[in-house]
Amino acid sequence: GAGVSQSPSNKVTEKGKDVELRCDPISGHTALYWYRQSLGQGLEFLIYFQGNSAPDKSGLPSDRFSAERTGGSVSTLTIQRTQQEDSAVYLCASSSPGAGGGELFFGEGSRLTVL
Amino acid sequence: DAKTTQPPSMDCAEGRAANLPCNHSTISGNEYVYWYRQIHSQGPQYIIHGLKNNETNEMASLIITEDRKSSTLILPHATLRDTAVYYCIVRPYNTDKLIFGTGTRLQVFP
Repeated sequence: GAGVSQSPSNKVTEKGKDVELRCDPISGHTALYWYRQSLGQGLEFLIYFQGNSAPDKSGLPSDRFSAERTGGSVSTLTIQRTQQEDSAVYLCASSSPGAGGGELFFGEGSRLTVL
Repeated sequence: DAKTTQPPSMDCAEGRAANLPCNHSTISGNEYVYWYRQIHSQGPQYIIHGLKNNETNEMASLIITEDRKSSTLILPHATLRDTAVYYCIVRPYNTDKLIFGTGTRLQVFP
């Protein structure tokens, strides 16, 4: 596809369950980012990949959160033992090194609701 | 990283210019100013960025003061579709990470 694709678009889960959120970046984009946005709040940086490595994991809120990227393309954000405060929209973005950095292309997000 | 300060909300009449200010008084010489916007229920959208010089593209103009301590995003002829939250972000040249603040909620009215 032409843009960043995220799935699922909506996920409702019970407290304590694990969830996986997927991001397909724009083809050729080497940098990939995860953010989350709680209701009515700004964007919170979670993690950033350059290729398959994550030089900056500083935003992951706890060890229940992890992310990986394989083949320099698809990324998965995993939340273990979900809590109600994890409810948010999780946004993925990608960027191309040729764009001078900083021009991120965002997906539509995955809305997570933890009951 | 330099912090930014933006007014929480602004109004603008349709067809008029919307001027959105941003203060970044602690910006350093190697940090860029980026603007993004987020229309309700969508992912953020890149608008424009600059270092020292004023910049213009098909969406907006970016005016950066000579001392670089503040900037203004100008939407020359605002439409109802420009209603969104606008984020001003300062990014060091040697990092690809963008830290979003709380932004300015722009309401364009008929």
